[in-house]
Amino acid sequence: AQRVTQPEKLLSVFKGAPVELKCNYSYSGSPELFWYVQYSRQRLQLLLRHISRESIKGFTADLNKGETSFHLKKPFAQEEDSAMYYCASNVGNQFYFGTGTSLTVIP
Amino acid sequence: NAGVTQTPKFQVLKTGQSMTLQCAQDMNHEYMSWYRQDPGMGLRLIHYSVGAGITDQGEVPNGYNVSRSTTEDFPLRLLSAAPSQTSVYFCASSRGHGNTEAFFGQGTRLTVV
Repeated sequence: AQRVTQPEKLLSVFKGAPVELKCNYSYSGSPELFWYVQYSRQRLQLLLRHISRESIKGFTADLNKGETSFHLKKPFAQEEDSAMYYCASNVGNQFYFGTGTSLTVIP
Repeated sequence: NAGVTQTPKFQVLKTGQSMTLQCAQDMNHEYMSWYRQDPGMGLRLIHYSVGAGITDQGEVPNGYNVSRSTTEDFPLRLLSAAPSQTSVYFCASSRGHGNTEAFFGQGTRLTVV
């Protein structure tokens, strides 16, 4: 079965510090990979996807096929980045979500 | 364009009661799915549909039924609510066919007492 692993349930960083949220996937092919963000009591929304190779709100994520990873990074964390982050893969139009990482940015 | 709309936002049920969580999308998406969100467990797929008239089970289907009579609607039915079904439920839709971003509803917070 497809699996997405986010090893950190909780992550705290100080404002202005770099942040990295880890994501590993298990799939031998070429999955579509996404990061979704959920701000407090709001719906999940797409943050970015590997196909577009874009930077959203200062976040980037690089697909590393050798390590089967899709880590989310931001060089300088902001307080408004505090949220729940989910890594997800899409294989055959089915989404597989990780268990999520709750990021807290400390002022 | 409202996107994905879920009703109700909050619901309290007694054990054994049944109810239907509504989900509607106005984006003409073929793919729709239901997830439950529990602390420490992320989002788990309950049921999904790849088009009108077609549904299939996800990871945690027991205790839930779905139907897809139209492209727009994908209701989730709890047959006999149990405390273990206390959760936040999210409906999602996606177009598929190479553009697979999932759009989520605002969620339904269900408590079974």
